[in-house]
Parts: sequence; C-alpha cells; structure tokens
Amino acid sequence: EVQLVESGGGLVQPGRSLRLSCAASGFTFDDYAMHWVRQAPGKGLEWVSGISWDSANIGYAASVKGRFTISRDNAKNFLYLQMDSLRAEDTALYYCARDMGTLTRRAFDFWGQGTMVTVSS
Amino acid sequence: QSALTQPPSASGSPGQSVTISCTGTSSDVGGYDYVSWYQQHPGKVPKLMIYEVSQRPSGVPDRFSGSKSGNTASLTVSGLQAEDEADYYCSSYAGSNNLVFGGGTKLTVL
Repeated sequence: EVQLVESGGGLVQPGRSLRLSCAASGFTFDDYAMHWVRQAPGKGLEWVSGISWDSANIGYAASVKGRFTISRDNAKNFLYLQMDSLRAEDTALYYCARDMGTLTRRAFDFWGQGTMVTVSS
Repeated sequence: QSALTQPPSASGSPGQSVTISCTGTSSDVGGYDYVSWYQQHPGKVPKLMIYEVSQRPSGVPDRFSGSKSGNTASLTVSGLQAEDEADYYCSSYAGSNNLVFGGGTKLTVL
C-alpha cells in the first residue's frame, strides 16, 4: 500500500525557516517523481514544487522560487521541502504527492494527509 | 505561471450530466496532453479522477470522462450522483518542470 506521511509543519514567525519531510513507503521511491502541493485555508490547490526521480529536473512555482528548495533522498525514501524567508501567504496545508511518472509532469496519483504550516508573528 | 481558469461553480440534478471547463494557454493545456482532474470532498485529500486528458485511473467510475480542445480541457460527469458533490480541480504541465492548477469548481448536486 502506497503511503506518504508528511511532517515538520508548525507555527513559525515571518522571515524564519522550516523544513518539511515526507516519508514514502509501499512503492519503489526512485521510480517516481514527487511534488509538494499546498492549500491555504478555504482556498484552492497550488502546486509548489516538483522533483524528478533522479533529482536532475526540478521546478518551482513563481511564488516560492528563490525561497524554497526541494530535495529527495532515494536511499531513505524521503522527500523534503526547505522553506526559507517564510511569509504570511505561505500559510497552508502542505501535501506531498507522487507523480505517475519519473518526470514532473504526468499527474498526482497518491497524496499524503498533509502537514499544516502557519506563518504568523 | 498563471492559474488555469475554471468556473467557480457548477450544478446539476441527479442523473443529469455536467461539464466543467478548464482554460489555459498554448503554454500549458494547449501545449501538452498532461491535463489531470482531481476531486476533493470537504476536509479530505484530493483524489485523481482523470490523467493525460482522458485516462481514468483504476477504480474511478466511467461516469467521469475528460477531453481537450485547443487550450480548454473539460471534465464531464454523467449520471450525477449525490456523492459527486465536491470541489474539482484541473491541473496541467506547463513546461520546464512546472505544473499549474485551476482555481477549482464547486459541483453541487441539486
């Protein structure tokens, strides 16, 4: 059974940093690209970042480019999102999602339950 | 990276069909056959309903179908059922390892 479990969320002050983790199990992790998708309270889905199976291809939404860094550890089956210079508008539930393919383009076929990030002073 | 355009709401009576549109540009929806659709019930995790414009994952009822014409993709739900009431989001590959979502459509079953 595919499982994606996010962790690392919490309350953080504007300008500070936070690192999210996603533990993957139930599938061969390095056969798939992975993504972070967020959803602000009461709002729609927003793609944040994606990383190919081998970390060679990475993309970021314009709203986070230069502040967030996605990475993965295929030996440990973990996906990460380093979030720096956090802003109030980054407040959201952050989902880890698996891509159907090896590159960041097909579709998100499995999702975690999400981890909440709140940016506030 | 502008969001794809979806109508905020759609509705239909049980048994009827409803179509939700998703309009982008030639740089995303019109440029690639990587359009997908997601269903999200309140408080729940999004669920993949359609991928690569018109493909249905295993377990998704064939009442759900997808298509694309030019820069606009569409999701059609036929034989509406009460459990289809949810938010629906489209997504498309936008080149250079980027993806984009639509703003979402709230489907109401009357």
